[in-house]
Amino acid sequence: AQSVAQPEDQVNVAEGNPLTVKCTYSVSGNPYLFWYVQYPNRGLQFLLKYITGDNLVKGSYGFEAEFNKSQTSFHLKKPSALVSDSALYFCAVRDLTTDSWGKLQFGAGTQVVVTP
Amino acid sequence: NAGVTQTPKFRVLKTGQSMTLLCAQDMNHEYMYWYRQDPGMGLRLIHYSVGEGTTAKGEVPDGYNVSRLKKQNFLLGLESAAPSQTSVYFCASSKPTSGVDEQFFGPGTRLTVL
Repeated sequence: AQSVAQPEDQVNVAEGNPLTVKCTYSVSGNPYLFWYVQYPNRGLQFLLKYITGDNLVKGSYGFEAEFNKSQTSFHLKKPSALVSDSALYFCAVRDLTTDSWGKLQFGAGTQVVVTP
Repeated sequence: NAGVTQTPKFRVLKTGQSMTLLCAQDMNHEYMYWYRQDPGMGLRLIHYSVGEGTTAKGEVPDGYNVSRLKKQNFLLGLESAAPSQTSVYFCASSKPTSGVDEQFFGPGTRLTVL
């Protein structure tokens, strides 16, 4: 079975400082990993994904994520946070070994609060 | 393109009432999904569809039914609403490229069951 853990319910960071949102996963095969962002009263928006290749993935709005197979992690990062980055962030994983369609397992979400 | 749209945006039901949530997408996606979002639990898959006329159960299907009569529409039904079904419901769609494609989400329906 696949699972995702986001160990922090909330991350607080000052504007201009680096932002990191942590995600660890568990799958039986090779993982497909995704990050989504949810702004208040909105649906989820895709940020980036790791399928294969370079472990550092760049995505929308200046975000990037690093895939670490040995630590089974896929942490989301942004070098300089903006107040507008305040939102709920979800990590999600697929294990292609166990199924052949698009089922995602989502983490519980991490609330990011960026203060001016 | 409108992307993924959901109707209605808000709804209040009494226990035992029924309702249908409508999801529509104009991206010609094969796969469609219904999720519910509850605080601290992330998104949980209710039902999904891999094509017109096909549906399947997800992680939390009890108390819900779905239909995919047209490729662009995916309906979620509650036959007899219960307070435990108070939640925010999201519809999503994606291309069937072996799961490497991201899902596109609608804006959500906030449902309260009294």
